[in-house]
Amino acid sequence: GENVEQHPSTLSVQEGDSAVIKCTYSDSASNYFPWYKQELGKRPQLIIDIRSNVGEKKDQRIAVTLNKTAKHFSLHITETQPEDSAVYFCAANGAAGNKLTFGGGTRVLVKP
Amino acid sequence: GAVVSQHPSRVICKSGTSVKIECRSLDFQATTMFWYRQFPKQSLMLMATSNEGSKATYEQGVEKDKFLINHASLTLSTLTVTSAHPEDSSFYICSARQSAGVSHTQYFGPGTRLTVL
Repeated sequence: GENVEQHPSTLSVQEGDSAVIKCTYSDSASNYFPWYKQELGKRPQLIIDIRSNVGEKKDQRIAVTLNKTAKHFSLHITETQPEDSAVYFCAANGAAGNKLTFGGGTRVLVKP
Repeated sequence: GAVVSQHPSRVICKSGTSVKIECRSLDFQATTMFWYRQFPKQSLMLMATSNEGSKATYEQGVEKDKFLINHASLTLSTLTVTSAHPEDSSFYICSARQSAGVSHTQYFGPGTRLTVL
């Protein structure tokens, strides 16, 4: 099945700086890659996703890039704010297509 | 739109009892729902895929007789933890995919924190 690795596990940045989280996946059949943000004790919230037919997608301060050849994708958050502090999870849908395999998560702390 | 609710949000039960958790898609139909388990400071681990009108598909290592799943309608899936034990204590989260279209997007419920004494 699909295997998703996520790095780093923790990330501390100064407010206003950028944060980058990287994920690799194993199944070349994966064609959907969402990113979720989870605050403590709350549900994961979809923040951005990308499909395999594009290499980059941007939504305000958040962008995701995808390299299908290398089987890795990254989340970029620019001009970080304290409210960006949370755990971020990447995921890939694998050959089955309809279920997600999640990375281990990255705990992001934005220091004021 | 795309709101998923989950009930109860918290439950504390005695060892040996069964606990039922409901997952509802409030404003869309969901042919497929998913049940995850999340331990503190860890990732989401898929337990099973719930399909409306058919049997659930369980991930390797998940006991189907322990975690009973029923998806009786396009807006409701239930997870019953049978004969719960302290090691079943965890955060259980469901998600739902819209039936319409080919979207892969999963919308998550708020989760249920289960504590087994």
